[in-house]
Amino acid sequence: AQRVTQPEKLLSVFKGAPVELKCNYSYSGSPELFWYVQYSRQRLQLLLRHISRESIKGFTADLNKGETSFHLKKPFAQEEDSAMYYCALSPPRETSGSRLTFGEGTQLTVNP
Amino acid sequence: GAVVSQHPSWVICKSGTSVKIECRSLDFQATTMFWYRQFPKQSLMLMATSNEGSKATYEQGVEKDKFLINHASLTLSTLTVTSAHPEDSSFYICSCDRSYNYEQYFGPGTRLTVT
Repeated sequence: AQRVTQPEKLLSVFKGAPVELKCNYSYSGSPELFWYVQYSRQRLQLLLRHISRESIKGFTADLNKGETSFHLKKPFAQEEDSAMYYCALSPPRETSGSRLTFGEGTQLTVNP
Repeated sequence: GAVVSQHPSWVICKSGTSVKIECRSLDFQATTMFWYRQFPKQSLMLMATSNEGSKATYEQGVEKDKFLINHASLTLSTLTVTSAHPEDSSFYICSCDRSYNYEQYFGPGTRLTVT
C-alpha cells in the first residue's frame, strides 16, 4: 500500500530562517513525488515535482530513495511562504496516470 | 491556462435530498478527473477517478451508489451526492489531469452542508 507521512502538522519559523518540511513515503517501486501548496483561501496548486528537479519560489526537494524521503527545503523563509503544504505521491505515470495520495499536510507559518 | 472551475462553491441542503456538483476544465481537455473529499484541518482523500465516457473507479470505502460520478465530456465531470446525510457535509474538490504532462489542476472546491 502506498502512504505519505508528514510528521509535522504545524511548523513555525522566523523570516529569513531556513525551513524544512519533512515527507516520508512508502511505495513498492518508483513513485513520482510532488509538493503541493495551498495559500489561505486559494486552491491547491503544484509547487514542484521531483522529476523536474527545479527550484520554485526558492524551494527545492530532493528525493532520497534510500530513506524514502522527499523533504522540502528553503534556505531563507519569507512571510508569503506561510501556507499549508502537502506532500503527494503517484504511481509511475505509465501504470495509472496521476492518481495522487496526499500526506496530512504541514501548516507553515513564517513570523516577521 | 489550465483553469478548473467548480459549481456551486457552496451549497446547503436538507437530509435526504441529492446535490450535484460540477467540475469543468475551462481551457483544456482533461483525460481524467478526480474527486477528493477534505474534512476540516485534514488532508485530501481521493474518492474516485473518472475517465471520459467510462465508469468511475472508486476508492475502497467510498459508496458508488451514494456518490454518483458522471464524466460526460472531456471538460465536464459531475459528482452527485444522493440521499445526503449530515455526515456527508464536507469540502469536495475536483482536479483535472492534462494527459501530456500528467499534472493535476485543482478546482476551488465546493462546501457542502447537509442539515
